[in-house]
Amino acid sequence: GESVGLHLPTLSVQEGDNSIINCAYSNSASDYFIWYKQESGKGPQFIIDIRSNMDKRQGQRVTVLLNKTVKHLSLQIAATQPGDSAVYFCAENIPPRVTGGGNKLTFGTGTQLKVEL
Amino acid sequence: DGGITQSPKYLFRKEGQNVTLSCEQNLNHDAMYWYRQDPGQGLRLIYYSQIVNDFQKGDIAEGYSVSREKKESFPLTVTSAQKNPTAFYLCASTTDPSKREKLFFGSGTQLSVL
Repeated sequence: GESVGLHLPTLSVQEGDNSIINCAYSNSASDYFIWYKQESGKGPQFIIDIRSNMDKRQGQRVTVLLNKTVKHLSLQIAATQPGDSAVYFCAENIPPRVTGGGNKLTFGTGTQLKVEL
Repeated sequence: DGGITQSPKYLFRKEGQNVTLSCEQNLNHDAMYWYRQDPGQGLRLIYYSQIVNDFQKGDIAEGYSVSREKKESFPLTVTSAQKNPTAFYLCASTTDPSKREKLFFGSGTQLSVL
């Protein structure tokens, strides 16, 4: 899972296996969550999002699971490919009724996914 | 193609110098953001703008300044007051910040100190 610090947690998987990347979010009032993929030296790319009134959402080869009871989010990647190698991080949206202002996106530190051939 | 363009990709700053990072978007988005990314840390918000000629400080605005004279453009100036400017800077935009919408990011600018 993600953690604060200089060294990103790393997940190594074999090509073709499924990957599960975890994220512990901070605020129980967060109402929207996003997963991003970031390749080295590039900007983050949107992968999938989920609203807090859902517990599962599927995309192409990716699934996001949300467990509000334990404030946990996971990203599952099916049949992992070498092109999936990147840093993956989650973001949570904290709504105005909590921030006292507007919506606020807070980002996790990320997990490095390495796909071995 | 629609998107967000950041330039330059690499930038070097001398002691006491101000430098400006460019961010242009043709997505017709109202809201634009600047984030700083340091190794092993989550993105931190520097400044954001929800509409032309208006902008707000984020969590780490000290040592930075911005302007929003046009909808398409949101340049960031890293001033000499920013004592630790070395980082990867990301610009982002979204359609309506009052809604839960995903951010689109540019490709980033790596700023280093000479």
